Amino acid sequence: GENVEQHPSTLSVQEGDSAVIKCTYSDSASNYFPWYKQELGKRPQLIIDIRSNVGEKKDQRIAVTLNKTAKHFSLHITETQPEDSAVYFCAAKNYGGSQGNLIFGKGTKLSVKP
Amino acid sequence: DAMVIQNPRYQVTQFGKPVTLSCSQTLNHNVMYWYQQKSSQAPKLLFHYYDKDFNNEADTPDNFQSRRPNTSFCFLDIRSPGLGDAAMYLCATSSQGGGNEQFFGPGTRLTVL
Repeated sequence: GENVEQHPSTLSVQEGDSAVIKCTYSDSASNYFPWYKQELGKRPQLIIDIRSNVGEKKDQRIAVTLNKTAKHFSLHITETQPEDSAVYFCAAKNYGGSQGNLIFGKGTKLSVKP
Repeated sequence: DAMVIQNPRYQVTQFGKPVTLSCSQTLNHNVMYWYQQKSSQAPKLLFHYYDKDFNNEADTPDNFQSRRPNTSFCFLDIRSPGLGDAAMYLCATSSQGGGNEQFFGPGTRLTVL
């Protein structure tokens, strides 16, 4: 089955700097890769996702890149702000055919220092 | 803008005393999921319903059961909670069970005394 590795487990950056979180997956059939942000005590919320027919996607300060050959994808946050502090989870899924479940990485705790 | 609602938000139960957590959705999504999330860990899928079809994860303990009486509601029953079952329980929904976004509810934090 699918296995998703996420690094680093913790990341501390200065406000205004960029933050990069990386994930690798094992199942080459996975074709959907969402990123969730979870603030303390709150629900995970989708911040961006990418499908395997796209190499990069950007939404304001957030971008995700996907390298299908190497089976890894990354989240890039530019101009970080204190409100970006949260735990970020990557996930992978094969949504073709059967139901396919999200497989989550273990999460990255991002701290943005003012 | 509540789309996935979970009740209660906090539940305290005693060791071995059955407890039921509820989830409702206004999105008319055909897939509903239950996740268990422990502190500093990723959500762990317990089971999901694709329409009325129940799908149990292989490592979900028999202690956990679920019911989905209609499209809008889904329940998580813990028959005999142990101390290790204390966690946040998250309900999520998606449409068609495919690559579409999963919408999470706010969660129910379960404490077992």
